[in-house]
Amino acid sequence: EDQVTQSPEALRLQEGESSSLNCSYTVSGLRGLFWYRQDPGKGPEFLFTLYSAGEEKEKERLKATLTKKESFLHITAPKPEDSATYLCAVQPDGGSQGNLIFGKGTKLSVKP
Amino acid sequence: SAVISQKPSRDICQRGTSLTIQCQVDSQVTMMFWYRQQPGQSLTLIATANQGSEATYESGFVIDKFPISRPNLTFSTLTVSNMSPEDSSIYLCSVPRGQGEQYFGPGTRLTVT
Repeated sequence: EDQVTQSPEALRLQEGESSSLNCSYTVSGLRGLFWYRQDPGKGPEFLFTLYSAGEEKEKERLKATLTKKESFLHITAPKPEDSATYLCAVQPDGGSQGNLIFGKGTKLSVKP
Repeated sequence: SAVISQKPSRDICQRGTSLTIQCQVDSQVTMMFWYRQQPGQSLTLIATANQGSEATYESGFVIDKFPISRPNLTFSTLTVSNMSPEDSSIYLCSVPRGQGEQYFGPGTRLTVT
C-alpha cells in the first residue's frame, strides 16, 4: 500500500535555528514527490517537485532533497514567517493523475 | 500559478442537509480535483472532475454522497449530501500544473451540527 509518513508531527524552533523535516514514503513506483506549505485557514501552497533520488531544489531558506525512501526539507536560519504546516505528497506510478498521497504534515513554529 | 477561488469559504450546516461548494479557476483546465482534509488527517482525493464526462471517484467515495458537476473548463461544484457530523472537514479543489504538481484553492471549512 502506498503511504507517506512525516516526522516530527510538530517542531518548535528559535529564529535562526536550522533543522530538517522528514518525509518517508512507500510506493510501488515514484512519479514525483511534492512539498507544500499550508498556512491556517488556507489551501496548500506548492513549494517543490522532486523526481529522482539525488535531486535537490532550493527556494530562499528551504532546500528539499530526495532519496529512494525519503525526502528532507531543510530549513536554514528560519524566521517567524516560516511558521506553517509543511506537507509532503507522492504521486505513484500508474495511479490516476490527481491522486497525490499526502502525509499528515509537520507543524513548524518559529519563535522570535 | 493558477488563481483558484472557492465558495463558500466556510459554513455551518444541520445534519441531513446538503451543501454545494463551488470552485472557479482563472484559466481553462481539463481536470479538476476535489480533496477532503479531515481534522488531524491527510488530504484525501475524493474525485476527479472531467469536463464532458462523469467524475471519477476514489475508493471509499460515491457519487450519491458527493455528486460533482463540471459544466465548463473553468468551473466545478461538489455537493456534500445528507450530511452528518463526520462530514465536518475542509474541502479543497485543485488543478494540475506542470509535471504532476497541483495548485489548490483556499478551501471550504464545513461544520455539521
